Amino acid sequence: GNSVTQMEGPVTLSEEAFLTINCTYTATGYPSLFWYVQYPGEGLQLLLKATKADDKGSNKGFEATYRKETTSFHLEKGSVQVSDSAVYFCALSDGNFNKFYFGSGTKLNVKP
Amino acid sequence: SAVISQKPSRDICQRGTSLTIQCQVDSQVTMMFWYRQQPGQSLTLIATANQGSEATYESGFVIDKFPISRPNLTFSTLTVSNMSPEDSSIYLCSVRPAGYNEQFFGPGTRLTVL
Repeated sequence: GNSVTQMEGPVTLSEEAFLTINCTYTATGYPSLFWYVQYPGEGLQLLLKATKADDKGSNKGFEATYRKETTSFHLEKGSVQVSDSAVYFCALSDGNFNKFYFGSGTKLNVKP
Repeated sequence: SAVISQKPSRDICQRGTSLTIQCQVDSQVTMMFWYRQQPGQSLTLIATANQGSEATYESGFVIDKFPISRPNLTFSTLTVSNMSPEDSSIYLCSVRPAGYNEQFFGPGTRLTVL
């Protein structure tokens, strides 16, 4: 079956630190992979996506590369800001994009 | 893309009552989805709602508890019936517009049941 496993949080970093949030997946077929972000009191927003192996998604300084050989889609940012404090969800969708599977979410706290 | 609004944004309800949550999209979409996010947890899909047909419920969710309407291509409602404190959650609707492979989410309805 399909599933997503994320590193547990919370993750606490100082401003300008390097961020990695690990995400691995199990899937049948050829899934697409996503990172969503949820700011306090808000719904989910798409942060970035990758639809095939070796694709790199990027947005707002965040990056993630679709690694089929390691079934991973780790989220990275070189220098985090206080405004990046949020919950980050890794997700995959099946081939018809109608069913999404979300990881447990990782809360990021960035301190000034 | 799609812009989604939900009403109400939050509510506090008494045990045994029902609440209907509305989801409005700014464009026509075939499929809408309803999720539950319990405090500090990930998202759990409740059901998929297609216009003109019965909603498809995920394991653990039943129509009597979570009836869904989908009267047209831009609107859906989810009712949480006979509520108990365990129903306290954020309820999110989402859509996947044609030509997109991601889902777009509404801001959520934060429900507290006393």
